[in-house]
Amino acid sequence: AQSVTQPDIHITVSEGASLELRCNYSYGATPYLFWYVQSPGQGLQLLLKYFSGDTLVQGIKGFEAEFKRSQSSFNLRKPSVHWSDAAEYFCAVGIFSGGYQKVTFGIGTKLQVIP
Amino acid sequence: DGGITQSPKYLFRKEGQNVTLSCEQNLNHDAMYWYRQDPGQGLRLIYYSQIVNDFQKGDIAEGYSVSREKKESFPLTVTSAQKNPTAFYLCASSIVRGVNQPQHFGDGTRLSIL
Repeated sequence: AQSVTQPDIHITVSEGASLELRCNYSYGATPYLFWYVQSPGQGLQLLLKYFSGDTLVQGIKGFEAEFKRSQSSFNLRKPSVHWSDAAEYFCAVGIFSGGYQKVTFGIGTKLQVIP
Repeated sequence: DGGITQSPKYLFRKEGQNVTLSCEQNLNHDAMYWYRQDPGQGLRLIYYSQIVNDFQKGDIAEGYSVSREKKESFPLTVTSAQKNPTAFYLCASSIVRGVNQPQHFGDGTRLSIL
């Protein structure tokens, strides 16, 4: 079975600073990887996805993520954080099993942005 | 605009009562999912459905029931057998054919006990 680890539950960064959110996965083959963002009381919005090809993927809102097979990681990055980026971020791994898409989510990382 | 609509946004349940959460999508997606979200636990799958009149249990189905009579609709009933129903419930949908399709989410329903 696949699993996802987000080692940082809370992260605080200053506005304008760079950001990296960590994600490690466990799966026997190359999985499908996603990053979602959730504002308080809202649903999840897809930031970016990786299926194959270029290991550096670009997403919305200026985010990017890099797939590193050797480290089983899919870390999310942003060069300059804005106050509006304060939210909770979820890494997820998807596989196609038994004819349906099973997605396993990490427990999330809460991002606080300080002025 | 296409999307997923969940209602109500807030719901309160009395002891021994069943309550139903609504989920409607106009994305023409085949698959629909219900997740439960608790602080510090991420999202856990309750039920999923790939096609009308068919659905499967997820990881935490006990105390919940669903139906899929129409492609657009996937209501979730939280029964009195669910002893700890207070949580944030999220509905999602996706295209079934081709795994490289992400799930799209509604804005959730927060269920609390009176």
